[in-house]
Amino acid sequence: ETGVTQSPTHLIKTRGQQVTLRCSSQSGHNTVSWYQQALGQGPQFIFQYYREEENGRGNFPPRFSGLQFPNYSSELNVNALELDDSALYLCASSNPGLVAREQYFGPGTRLTVT
Amino acid sequence: ILNVEQSPQSLHVQEGDSTNFTCSFPSSNFYALHWYRWETAKSPEALFVMTLNGDEKKKGRISATLNTKEGYSYLYIKGSQPEDSATYLCALNYGGSQGNLIFGKGTKLSVKP
Repeated sequence: ETGVTQSPTHLIKTRGQQVTLRCSSQSGHNTVSWYQQALGQGPQFIFQYYREEENGRGNFPPRFSGLQFPNYSSELNVNALELDDSALYLCASSNPGLVAREQYFGPGTRLTVT
Repeated sequence: ILNVEQSPQSLHVQEGDSTNFTCSFPSSNFYALHWYRWETAKSPEALFVMTLNGDEKKKGRISATLNTKEGYSYLYIKGSQPEDSATYLCALNYGGSQGNLIFGKGTKLSVKP
């Protein structure tokens, strides 16, 4: 395993609710990226946090937001949940100082919106 | 829009068969190509990171090649074993300050004993 952990493993929410997903990065990594994998698709980049600042964002609306803490762990928050937000959410940690920006993934959080 | 294509979508082989699958991409202007192996309910596991045209990487029975001029990478598995059953993801890092990965949809490999 990679040393990247995510919680919870899975959860069920109702449309319109808000959700917070958590990620603990691998020791020594200061960058966390979040990805959404919808059914039948490859993971899609949501955003990245580097040293507690957002450092790039994919094509996701503002109701997807995040935080990174001084210990480099991170949260993904999704407001006003929609049915299409049902997906597996992956986080990955990395260190920009490493060659080729290898990213190490957690096992994911499965979100179901009903 | 940058698109990473993987083929086939799924593959069923018998134990002992050798197999290969393809990752295709539109541009050679990328920072690195990554291969991941992803078993159900586990974290995607990094297999290879490839950066240069002609790169060849090997880990046990698994190897990969990269052709940036024609825009493809091959992943080979020699003598497939049931424990090789997984989804194999290809992702491109086009660099920049974010270094975010653009993934294909993956190739799901099933190896029957």
